[in-house]
Amino acid sequence: EAGVAQSPRYKIIEKRQSVAFWCNPISGHATLYWYQQILGQGPKLLIQFQNNGVVDDSQLPKDRFSAERLKGVDSTLKIQPAKLEDSAVYLCASSFRTGLTKNIQYFGAGTRLSVL
Amino acid sequence: AQTVTQSQPEMSVQEAETVTLSCTYDTSESDYYLFWYKQPPSRQMILVIRQEAYKQQNATENRFSVNFQKAAKSFSLKISDSQLGDAAMYFCAYRSDTGANSKLTFGKGITLSVRP
Repeated sequence: EAGVAQSPRYKIIEKRQSVAFWCNPISGHATLYWYQQILGQGPKLLIQFQNNGVVDDSQLPKDRFSAERLKGVDSTLKIQPAKLEDSAVYLCASSFRTGLTKNIQYFGAGTRLSVL
Repeated sequence: AQTVTQSQPEMSVQEAETVTLSCTYDTSESDYYLFWYKQPPSRQMILVIRQEAYKQQNATENRFSVNFQKAAKSFSLKISDSQLGDAAMYFCAYRSDTGANSKLTFGKGITLSVRP
């Protein structure tokens, strides 16, 4: 079974530039999550999708971050313009919406973003 | 809001020995899930073990077991017969079982090193 795919693995940009991350969840997983993990901390949820609808985006800095999941499968997270404090690993995870394993989230390898 | 606390930033264990990683959490909910995730340098979060709060029996997965104390809101991970491959960051995480929001709330993590 293919896991959660993310790209790119690494990205280096200068502040005020824009950047986009892509995530392809496990087939059949209706729920998709984007987490931000700053060095030395645990991941923090940015946004949760159920199919193509947003369930929780309360911690997404909406003045600069945006995310979409147009067809309920792939998702893109964008930052525009980037700030130095956005340097972090961006993790995508997915899970089933129902069933015995609905509480298990499977993670991708993440994208490490460095903002200079 | 729920919080997860991992107060030990680092631990070290001799290969083949046993180590216990501590985690406490705070919640007013009665139904929830607790998890331990492992994050090696590759950055991918790997589920180690999970515990449903309604179950009194402690979860076990091969060399990994938990000590779940619901009243004390404590959830420690015991690794038996430690192996070099166990070296990684370990995160304790909480997930509510109420409503559609199924985000994970993570602790800050603990770095485990294994001495050969």
